[in-house]
Amino acid sequence: NAGVTQTPKFQVLKTGQSMTLQCAQDMNHEYMSWYRQDPGMGLRLIHYSVGAGITDQGEVPNGYNVSRSTTEDFPLRLLSAAPSQTSVYFCASSDRERLISGANVLTFGAGSRLTVL
Amino acid sequence: AQKITQTQPGMFVQEKEAVTLDCTYDTSDPSYGLFWYKQPSSGEMIFLIYQGSYDQQNATEGRYSLNFQKARKSANLVISASQLGDSAMYFCAMREGRYGNNRLAFGKGNQVVVIP
Repeated sequence: NAGVTQTPKFQVLKTGQSMTLQCAQDMNHEYMSWYRQDPGMGLRLIHYSVGAGITDQGEVPNGYNVSRSTTEDFPLRLLSAAPSQTSVYFCASSDRERLISGANVLTFGAGSRLTVL
Repeated sequence: AQKITQTQPGMFVQEKEAVTLDCTYDTSDPSYGLFWYKQPSSGEMIFLIYQGSYDQQNATEGRYSLNFQKARKSANLVISASQLGDSAMYFCAMREGRYGNNRLAFGKGNQVVVIP
């Protein structure tokens, strides 16, 4: 029972490099999202998806791209990394039933710590 | 404007005592949901408790209860009989709007340290 799996756990990039943070869930959850956590800022929503083929922007989408070709996977792409993107990134998912009921509890991955030099 | 406000400084709590974590929220939507998550030093986010805006009773989950005061826009978390494992950051979060929207706005968190 893996839940939400994020890779890598740690990554160091140089400014201008690109990379993809992977997120996979094995719970058949329709809803998936990416948050970033900065010191003293709480979590902020980057992008989210309500199902395969559907994505939308959250609070802080600039500098990030996402796609949702399957229900299981929701990768987050940094096209040209900047030091301001140094953060801990969390992927989270929830199922449609909980989404509709309102008690839409998110299941989080363990997080990916990204440092951009 | 901040939607979720958590302003308490770090708190030290004696083991077996109760602790209350403050959370105020700002929304004009009549339909919303309030959540509390725990983040221990290991970093994972753990769901604790949920309260819907139309729920008549305060939510409870084991040692966790949510003191929901709608008129004050307050959703304080109460942890009874604190344990050493309760040492963590605690985040209050809100979902605005009707069901089907799973976008959460998080507060900045409350740090709790339980001392023996």
